[in-house]
Parts: sequence; structure tokens; C-alpha cells
Amino acid sequence: EDQVTQSPEALRLQEGESSSLNCSYTVSGLRGLFWYRQDPGKGPEFLFTLYSAGEEKEKERLKATLTKKESFLHITAPKPEDSATYLCAVQARGGSGNTGKLIFGQGTTLQVKP
Amino acid sequence: NAGVTQTPKFRILKIGQSMTLQCTQDMNHNYMYWYRQDPGMGLKLIYYSVGAGITDKGEVPNGYNVSRSTTEDFPLRLELAAPSQTSVYFCASSYSAGVRVGNEQFFGPGTRLTVL
Repeated sequence: EDQVTQSPEALRLQEGESSSLNCSYTVSGLRGLFWYRQDPGKGPEFLFTLYSAGEEKEKERLKATLTKKESFLHITAPKPEDSATYLCAVQARGGSGNTGKLIFGQGTTLQVKP
Repeated sequence: NAGVTQTPKFRILKIGQSMTLQCTQDMNHNYMYWYRQDPGMGLKLIYYSVGAGITDKGEVPNGYNVSRSTTEDFPLRLELAAPSQTSVYFCASSYSAGVRVGNEQFFGPGTRLTVL
């Protein structure tokens, strides 16, 4: 069964304190791994898509990396405005490949204190 | 572009009532999705559509129905509401699927539904 697990569930950082969020996945064949940011009371906002092990993508203070079993979202020198829930999702090959169906993890809630 | 819009933002239903959650996108996307999000549980796919006139079940379809008569609209129908359907509902759309371009999903702001 395809599955996505994120850790930790919650993370508190001081402003400027770098850290990483983890997304472990088990799928029959990975077509893509997606990272989203979700602010309270709003819909998820797309951040990155990764397709192959070894691939990396960056956006401001965020950097996403991918291995064959997991993805990391590295946050460098975070600011309070980076506080949000970060969601990881996978798209599997096979039947779901041409439908775009995503399997989401439960998310990591990040709080950055000034 | 307004992107993906959803109405209503909030709704309280009594057990056994029915309602339709509206979703509209103005990006000419073929692919549309309905998810529900429960606290600490991530998003679960309810129904999806790969184009006008084509819909299929997702992971948790029981108690829901959808239709897709146009490219823009993808309404979600709740029949005989139950407390287990209390959740936040998100509609999403994407330009493509299964390829490396345009497959990211864009989400609406959500509908918070409470069934009492």
C-alpha cells in the first residue's frame, strides 16, 4: 500500500535556527514528490516537485531534496513568516499516473519564534 | 485569474440534510480533485475528474457524489449528512497529470463544514 509519513509532527525553532523536515514514502513506483505550504485557514500552496533521487530544488530559505526512500525540506535561517504547516505528497506510477492522484502525509507544523 | 474558488466558506448542517459544495477554476485545467482534511490526518482524496464528463472515486468516496458538466466547475454533493463528514473540504485543479510539466495542483481556500 502506498504510504507517506512526515516527521516531526510539530517543530519549534528560534529565528535563524536551521533545521530539516522529513517525508518518508513507500510507493509502488514514484512518479513525483510534491511539497506544499499551508497557512492556517487556507488551502495548500505549491512549493516544489521532485522526480528523481538526487534531485534538489530551492526557493528562498527552503531547499528540498529527494532519495529513493525519503525527501527532506531544509529550512535555512528561518524567519517567523516561515511558520506554517508543510505537507508532502507523492504521485505513484501505474493506475494513478495519468490521473494526478496524490497521497498526502499528515504534515509538519512549523513555528518560528522571533 | 481568480484561480480556484470555493463556496461557501463555512456551513453548518443538521444530520440528514444535503448540500452542494461549489468549486470553479478559471485556468482551463482539465484535472480537478476534491479532498477532505481532518485534524492531524492530512488530505484524503474523495473524487477526481480528468476532464468534462469523466469522474472517478478516490480514497474516501462514500456519502459523496460529483459531476463535471463543464471544464470550469466540479461540484461536490453531500447526501444525508452525517457527523463523520465534519471536515474541511478542498477543491484543486491541475493542467496536466503524469508528466513533468504543469502537474502541480492548485488549491482553493476550502469549505469548513460542521454536521450536528
